[in-house]
Amino acid sequence: DQQVKQNSPSLSVQEGRISILNCDYTNSMFDYFLWYKKYPAEGPTFLISISSIKDKNEDGRFTVFLNKSAKHLSLHIVPSQPGDSAVYFCAAAGGRGSTLGRLYFGRGTQLTVWP
Amino acid sequence: DAGVTQSPTHLIKTRGQHVTLRCSPISGHKSVSWYQQVLGQGPQFIFQYYEKEERGRGNFPDRFSARQFPNYSSELNVNALLLGDSALYLCASRLQETRSYEQYFGPGTRLTVT
Repeated sequence: DQQVKQNSPSLSVQEGRISILNCDYTNSMFDYFLWYKKYPAEGPTFLISISSIKDKNEDGRFTVFLNKSAKHLSLHIVPSQPGDSAVYFCAAAGGRGSTLGRLYFGRGTQLTVWP
Repeated sequence: DAGVTQSPTHLIKTRGQHVTLRCSPISGHKSVSWYQQVLGQGPQFIFQYYEKEERGRGNFPDRFSARQFPNYSSELNVNALLLGDSALYLCASRLQETRSYEQYFGPGTRLTVT
């Protein structure tokens, strides 16, 4: 039962342009959302997060938008750089009986930024 | 400060064998979680431990077990290995005292079962 979905397995963007990665979730009890970046042979690296009480959070080139009514969030990277090429995972947390140590991940989106 | 460390980096085992994976959290982090990432999927939660007690368990069979030591390091044990256990096993730590959900991952152990 995939509670967090990333429907685009890959995204290709030119350097300097905007990258938009999308994520949908089904569990309305989730109250915290995170984005991780993963390079090959490394563990996921925390990028940015957002609480369900907000609809936007920004950190440098990275902005996450949350639309609770649509159960949708997106990560915007502006401007995109070749070093951003990696797999991006959306994750969610919270809910009835949930532990703070449990994250639910999507399958990831491979972002390729070309010069 | 050192991040989360895991050992070994790679491991090859035969079906039916047992394996032990090790994790050391970031200094000051008292909570450790284990995840399994199969190729093409996102990480799947296996366990969370805090203060040597299991605080959460994912949908994994009893062949999977774990423990946490007084220094907050942790071991993941898998018995009677199956081919389907081949995966990247990730350990993550977090600062339990906060309400934050952010977890910090180690590089993982790549387990191959033949």
